[in-house]
Amino acid sequence: DADVTQTPRNRITKTGKRIMLECSQTKGHDRMYWYRQDPGLGLRLIYYSFDVKDINKGEISDGYSVSRQAQAKFSLSLESAIPNQTALYFCATSDFGGANTGELFFGEGSRLTVL
Amino acid sequence: AQKITQTQPGMFVQEKEAVTLDCTYDTSDPSYGLFWYKQPSSGEMIFLIYQGSYDQQNATEGRYSLNFQKARKSANLVISASQLGDSAMYFCAMREGAGGYQKVTFGIGTKLQVIP
Repeated sequence: DADVTQTPRNRITKTGKRIMLECSQTKGHDRMYWYRQDPGLGLRLIYYSFDVKDINKGEISDGYSVSRQAQAKFSLSLESAIPNQTALYFCATSDFGGANTGELFFGEGSRLTVL
Repeated sequence: AQKITQTQPGMFVQEKEAVTLDCTYDTSDPSYGLFWYKQPSSGEMIFLIYQGSYDQQNATEGRYSLNFQKARKSANLVISASQLGDSAMYFCAMREGAGGYQKVTFGIGTKLQVIP
């Protein structure tokens, strides 16, 4: 089983619908992230969380919200999806300090299409 | 200003040849880290190599090496003896931030195609 699991892997929805992308991890990392990938734009940070009580906005948080339900779970919500939120979404985890470099460990991605 | 700049949208390399993928970065933090990730057409993100800002030697991992030039703020990835399986998107990324509040920023990527 993957260390970082995203569900769903693929989702097609309509404008205005509420969508939740879920992420769970078994790596025991405190830090979790949501990124969005668009062609030609690379990966852009939406939200990040360094522990259950700590949530931070990234560079493109408008239109998104997150919930850190537990150390292992970090969910991304689109309250009212719009077509320009069509993208590949990645959840990632990391650890830092000691021998850890802060390397990101990624889930397999969730491809979202908003019609 | 862009934190990570990758100026090569696409690159071609002959199989078995070496190729350099460029990356420059911008930060005022004295402590930072640089990463390269590979994304094949299947979509997963694969970690390749890491360089810390205080590391004296350039990082190497098998056929991958990172040409770290701190004064020039560049962290180019060198792939030696290219293989067909190296065809993929390659992303340069930087970890920065004070204390425990560190985050990772990515460049826009370079698409590498290896020609038989």
